[in-house]
Amino acid sequence: DAKTTQPTSMDCAEGRAANLPCNHSTISGNEYVYWYRQIHSQGPQYIIHGLKNNETNEMASLIITEDRKSSTLILPHATLRDTAVYYCIVRVWGQNFVFGPGTRLSVLP
Amino acid sequence: DTGVSQDPRHKITKRGQNVTFRCDPISEHNRLYWYRQTLGQGPEFLTYFQNEAQLEKSRLLSDRFSAERPKGSFSTLEIQRTEQGDSAMYLCAARGGANTGELFFGEGSRLTVL
Repeated sequence: DAKTTQPTSMDCAEGRAANLPCNHSTISGNEYVYWYRQIHSQGPQYIIHGLKNNETNEMASLIITEDRKSSTLILPHATLRDTAVYYCIVRVWGQNFVFGPGTRLSVLP
Repeated sequence: DTGVSQDPRHKITKRGQNVTFRCDPISEHNRLYWYRQTLGQGPEFLTYFQNEAQLEKSRLLSDRFSAERPKGSFSTLEIQRTEQGDSAMYLCAARGGANTGELFFGEGSRLTVL
């Protein structure tokens, strides 16, 4: 079973930041937080992952709370092409990825 | 381009027929996964290979399902005696060993059982 809780859906205005929350209150010390997204009719795409520290790459930023019980994926300037289902996954290194239903993000013009 | 190719992209079959899907990862990706995804759900893990060894199988993988990776390169997933409940997207994913651990997914093979 997925160890995360995410809102079912969210809307975001084009050009604005999209902040996608994820709750993982039972996360253990050796579990990483991963984010993937899935655009309609495509396979999931890796976005970012982290353990304790905040992380940033060319796609997004990942903010992990100090107690590691929740995190937020930030898309700084959402575009229409960011409309997708976003999955938050916690995983011990080497284990399989367990996907939940994710958050359906709609970026509106 | 993730380097993971799946074939066919779409398959329509009648109940009771056998179907086979193929996945071709790049050579550096020695770990290969099969997932199944139904409408509105996230991908569900089916099975995992490291090189040619099948190391883990989900209980979702009934005895009608079989997966192989004979030379540690491409993999096949066969479904025998298909049922309407097998209709889903079958996703293949791969990764290397000593990297960030991220999975690279193919585009998927969509199965429709009539």
